[in-house]
This record gives sequence, structure tokens and C-alpha cells, in this order.
Amino acid sequence: AQSVTQPDIHITVSEGASLELRCNYSYGATPYLFWYVQSPGQGLQLLLKYFSGDTLVQGIKGFEAEFKRSQSSFNLRKPSVHWSDAAEYFCAVGRGGTASKLTFGTGTRLQVTL
Amino acid sequence: GAVVSQHPSRVICKSGTSVKIECRSLDFQATTMFWYRQFPKQSLMLMATSNEGSKATYEQGVEKDKFLINHASLTLSTLTVTSAHPEDSSFYICSAALQASGGAGNEQFFGPGTRLTVL
Repeated sequence: AQSVTQPDIHITVSEGASLELRCNYSYGATPYLFWYVQSPGQGLQLLLKYFSGDTLVQGIKGFEAEFKRSQSSFNLRKPSVHWSDAAEYFCAVGRGGTASKLTFGTGTRLQVTL
Repeated sequence: GAVVSQHPSRVICKSGTSVKIECRSLDFQATTMFWYRQFPKQSLMLMATSNEGSKATYEQGVEKDKFLINHASLTLSTLTVTSAHPEDSSFYICSAALQASGGAGNEQFFGPGTRLTVL
């Protein structure tokens, strides 16, 4: 069965500092991988996704993620964090024919200090 | 981007009553919608997949008679929590899938969620 692990429950970074959120997955086939952000009162928003091709994926809001098959990882990065990036971040793996059934990690709460 | 709404955003009900939650795709048609449940400080757990015009597919461990799902149109799916009890209190989130070109990897758009509290 597929699973997603986000080892860091809570991360605090200073505004302007770089960020890396970790995600490890377990899946028997080629994974479809996603990163979502959840802000209070708002629905989850897709930051980026990986299906195939270039293993470095660019997303919205300046985020990127790198798929590393050998490490079963899909870590999310941002070179310079803004205070508005404070939110809950979820990594997910898609299953099913169209990767529509998502299995989510437990999330990482990002706090940004000024 | 595509917008998904949920109504109500928050509901409080008495134990034993039923509660209906609506999920609407506002600017696109969604043949597939999903219902998730999120416990405090935990991940989203997929409850069921809802396909327009057919019966929902429930994930293992989810009681289909407790959580009734109806997907009557391409823009509306409803989740009814029947005979609600305090343990059903949770944050319920729906999503609607927009089919990607080429059929590989539909993107899901999520609603803002509904906070259900059963007293």
C-alpha cells in the first residue's frame, strides 16, 4: 500500500531564509506526486506536481520540488520564504488510473518569523 | 483557477440528527468528486470517490450507510452524515477533479471544508 511520510511536523524559518520541506513516499509503481498548501479558511491549493519527465519541478509562488527515485523523496524547496508562506503543507501521492486518489502525508506546519 | 465551494462552512448539530454538506464546482464540470475527512493536526483521509450518475466508491473502513454520498449533477455532490454522533465531529473536505488533457493525472481542486461538531 502507498504511504507518504513528512518527518517534520513543525518548521520555523526566518523571512528571507531558504526552506526545504521533506517528503518520502512508498509506492509500488511510478508515483504521481503532489505538494499542496492549506491556509486557514481556504481550500488546499496545488503548488506543484510530478508525473514524469524532468525531476525538478517548478511550481507556483516560487516553490520547486525535486523527485529522487533512489531516495523515494519529493522534497519541496523555496530559496527565500515570505511571511505569507506560513501555512500547512501536504505532500501526496496519487494512485489509480488517473492518479486521482490521493494519499496525503500528515503535513508540515510552517511558521515564518519576521 | 477552478473554484470549489462547500456549504455550510460550519455546522453544529445534536447527536442522532443528520447533516448534509454540499460541494459545488463553480466554473467547471467535474465527473468525479472526492470526500475527505481531516482530524485535528492530522492528514486528510480519503473517504469516498463520487462519480456523477453512479454510486460512490467508499474506501475501506468507511461506512457507506453512515456517510451517504450523492452526485446528482456534474457540479454538485452531497455528503450526508446520518445519525451523527460526537465521534463524527471532524473537518470534511471535498474536491473536484478536472480532467487533464491526455488523461494522465487529473488535477483536484479543493473546497474550503466544513467543520462539523456533533453535540
